[in-house]
Amino acid sequence: EAGVTQFPSHSVIEKGQTVTLRCDPISGHDNLYWYRRVMGKEIKFLLHFVKESKQDESGMPNNRFLAERTGGTYSTLKVQPAELEDSGVYFCASSAFGQSYEQYFGPGTRLTVT
Amino acid sequence: KQEVTQIPAALSVPEGENLVLNCSFTDSAIYNLQWFRQDPGKGLTSLLLIQSSQREQTSGRLNASLDKSSGRSTLYIAASQPGDSATYLCAVRPNFGNEKLTFGTGTRLTIIP
Repeated sequence: EAGVTQFPSHSVIEKGQTVTLRCDPISGHDNLYWYRRVMGKEIKFLLHFVKESKQDESGMPNNRFLAERTGGTYSTLKVQPAELEDSGVYFCASSAFGQSYEQYFGPGTRLTVT
Repeated sequence: KQEVTQIPAALSVPEGENLVLNCSFTDSAIYNLQWFRQDPGKGLTSLLLIQSSQREQTSGRLNASLDKSSGRSTLYIAASQPGDSATYLCAVRPNFGNEKLTFGTGTRLTIIP
């Protein structure tokens, strides 16, 4: 069974540009989460999808971040326009209903804004 | 607001030793606790998940315990190997209805051959 995949693995953009990160969850997982880790800090929650609906977006830092999950499969996280403080590693995770709600993480996308 | 602390931030031990990593959390109203491993430049690998009603979980040389009332969990690694070198993270999930994990900053473990 394929795990959570993320694309790209690395992205380097200039301040003011737009970047879109993609996450493909484990097949059949209705729950999808985005987290990020900025330099020297702990991993922090951004938002949670249940299928295509946003269940909790309390961790989204501001309106420059837009997450979508059309069709309830893969998800995208767009940052527009990017700022220096957006640099970090963005992780995606997924989980299935009805079990332990164990979250399985992808390898992350390292975003560098210069 | 839940806060998760992992001490020490870094630990080096000789190969073959048993070791304990610590995780503490401020709010005992948790649904479960997960221990993860992160290798440099890689994603998070889930090691063990303990439900709030459980006291411990074991997988191979790993044993995780949970004392919810005191807000503590430990990860015990037996007979450490160089391949165990990684950053170990714990994360707690609050009670049912809120699924976001709160992470500690991790313990960077180095096993010296």
